[in-house]
Amino acid sequence: KAGVTQTPRYLIKTRGQQVTLSCSPISGHRSVSWYQQTPGQGLQFLFEYFSETQRNKGNFPGRFSGRQFSNSRSEMNVSTLELGDSALYLCASSLEVATEAFFGQGTRLTVV
Amino acid sequence: AQTVTQSQPEMSVQEAETVTLSCTYDTSENNYYLFWYKQPPSRQMILVIRQEAYKQQNATENRFSVNFQKAAKSFSLKISDSQLGDTAMYFCAFIVNFGNEKLTFGTGTRLTIIP
Repeated sequence: KAGVTQTPRYLIKTRGQQVTLSCSPISGHRSVSWYQQTPGQGLQFLFEYFSETQRNKGNFPGRFSGRQFSNSRSEMNVSTLELGDSALYLCASSLEVATEAFFGQGTRLTVV
Repeated sequence: AQTVTQSQPEMSVQEAETVTLSCTYDTSENNYYLFWYKQPPSRQMILVIRQEAYKQQNATENRFSVNFQKAAKSFSLKISDSQLGDTAMYFCAFIVNFGNEKLTFGTGTRLTIIP
């Protein structure tokens, strides 16, 4: 069974640009969550999708958005990138609500 | 507010020894799940062990076990017969059973196993 796949693994962007990250969950998993990991703030929840609906959102500005497709694949978008958006972005999928989450290897975003 | 506190930023232990990582949490909910995740240098978060709050029996997975004290809101991880591959960041986390479906993480403990 394939795990959670995140693409790309690494990204370098310039301030002001926008970026789209992709996450393919484990087959059969309908819940996809996104987290931002930085040395200063640790792991912070961005949002969670279930059956194409955003059910929960963390405390991030509106520049951070996401969506989920009918095949459960998810994308997150960050517009007008800032230096502080440099982070490891982790995607996790789970079978149902409040069950264990399985993580992808993350996308390392560097904003210069 | 739901919070997780890991008071040990770094720990090191000799190979084959036993080590215990501490975690306390705070929530007003009664139903929740607790987890320990491991993040090696490869960055991928790997689930180590899971505990349902309604279960009194402590979870065990091979060399990993927890000491879950619900009243004290404590959830420590014990690693027995530690191995070099156990070197990683360890994160304690929990999720409420309903309503707020997000993992709340602690700040992590960096564990180094010394050969």
